[in-house]
Amino acid sequence: AQSVAQPEDQVNVAEGNPLTVKCTYSVSGNPYLFWYVQYPNRGLQFLLKYITGDNLVKGSYGFEAEFNKSQTSFHLKKPSALVSDSALYFCAVSPMNRDDKIIFGKGTRLHILP
Amino acid sequence: DTEVTQTPKHLVMGMTNKKSLKCEQHMGHRAMYWYKQKAKKPPELMFVYSYEKLSINESVPSRFSPECPNSSLLNLHLHALQPEDSALYLCASSTRDGTYEQYFGPGTRLTVT
Repeated sequence: AQSVAQPEDQVNVAEGNPLTVKCTYSVSGNPYLFWYVQYPNRGLQFLLKYITGDNLVKGSYGFEAEFNKSQTSFHLKKPSALVSDSALYFCAVSPMNRDDKIIFGKGTRLHILP
Repeated sequence: DTEVTQTPKHLVMGMTNKKSLKCEQHMGHRAMYWYKQKAKKPPELMFVYSYEKLSINESVPSRFSPECPNSSLLNLHLHALQPEDSALYLCASSTRDGTYEQYFGPGTRLTVT
């Protein structure tokens, strides 16, 4: 069965420090991986994706993620956190043969402390 | 235009009412989705329309009835809902051309009294 795990319910980071939000996945075949962000009372916004190619993926708002096949991980990173990055972050995976279906992780709340 | 719009923003309805949620996109996307999201939880997929045909129904109760009148428009008809159906209902769309990411609307906050 396909699944996505986000082991941290909440991550606290001081403004200006680097941040990491963790994600591991389990899927048969090559995965399609995504990060989405959700601000309060809003829909989800697409941040970045890994489909194939370079393991380091760059996305919106200075975020990047590294695909690690051996560790089945796709951690989200940013070199210098902003208070405005505080939000709920979802990792998601799409099975290779089902591009119309996304499985979301439970979400990680990111708090950036001023 | 990279926007998915949803109306209304908020909806309060009684358990005997009939109401509809509307979603619209003008990005030429050929897949459209309905999700239900409870507070602090991930979105749960309800329905998928692909090329205007229903392709996925995640065993959703029949009190929720989706409709896709054309490639830009998606409706969700609601009838005889229960209080536990109160949630944020999100619409999304995607291209089906191999790019895979979904674009979400802001959602309709539904309260069933």
